[in-house]
Amino acid sequence: DAGVIQSPRHEVTEMGQEVTLRCKPISGHNSLFWYRQTMMRGLELLIYFNNNVPIDDSGMPEDRFSAKMPNASFSTLKIQPSEPRDSAVYFCASSFGVTQYFGPGTRLLVL
Amino acid sequence: GQQLNQSPQSMFIQEGEDVSMNCTSSSIFNTWLWYKQDPGEGPVLLIALYKAGELTSNGRLTAQFGITRKDSFLNISASIPSDVGIYFCAGRPRGSQGNLIFGKGTKLSVKP
Repeated sequence: DAGVIQSPRHEVTEMGQEVTLRCKPISGHNSLFWYRQTMMRGLELLIYFNNNVPIDDSGMPEDRFSAKMPNASFSTLKIQPSEPRDSAVYFCASSFGVTQYFGPGTRLLVL
Repeated sequence: GQQLNQSPQSMFIQEGEDVSMNCTSSSIFNTWLWYKQDPGEGPVLLIALYKAGELTSNGRLTAQFGITRKDSFLNISASIPSDVGIYFCAGRPRGSQGNLIFGKGTKLSVKP
């Protein structure tokens, strides 16, 4: 079975550019989570969806960040404009119930 | 917001030694999970605990859901080099709709 799929795996961009991260959750899962991981702050929940509806976006740092889930098999996290402090690893996770299954992450570097 | 205190932050051990790490919270959790993260990868679930007092094993790993529902521990017996990585505890607070709270992680290094 395919796990959570994220793309791209690595992204290097310049400050001010738009960045779009993509996630395909595990088929049948009804919740999707976006996390950001840094050395300083560890794993931070940015936003999560239940049945494609955003439930809690209190972790989204600011208006430059937005997330969508147009259907049960796809979600995007967009940063516009990107800044160097957005450099981190971004994880998508999905669940049916409590246990979350993580994707491999997107390593973002903003120069 | 709610936080989990995970300790120790890091451990350096000799191959063959046993390892113990734990997480505590100030509030009651309904579920405890333990994940392992290898470099360059996402966290992978090791053990899930759903009831207070529950003791669950997965190979050389054993985890327990504390009886007070405010703590959990993970033990690794007879460590091997591939146990190297970062171990995270995660819990779902009572009354939570589904999101998990994660500890800061325990970085384990194993010397052959």
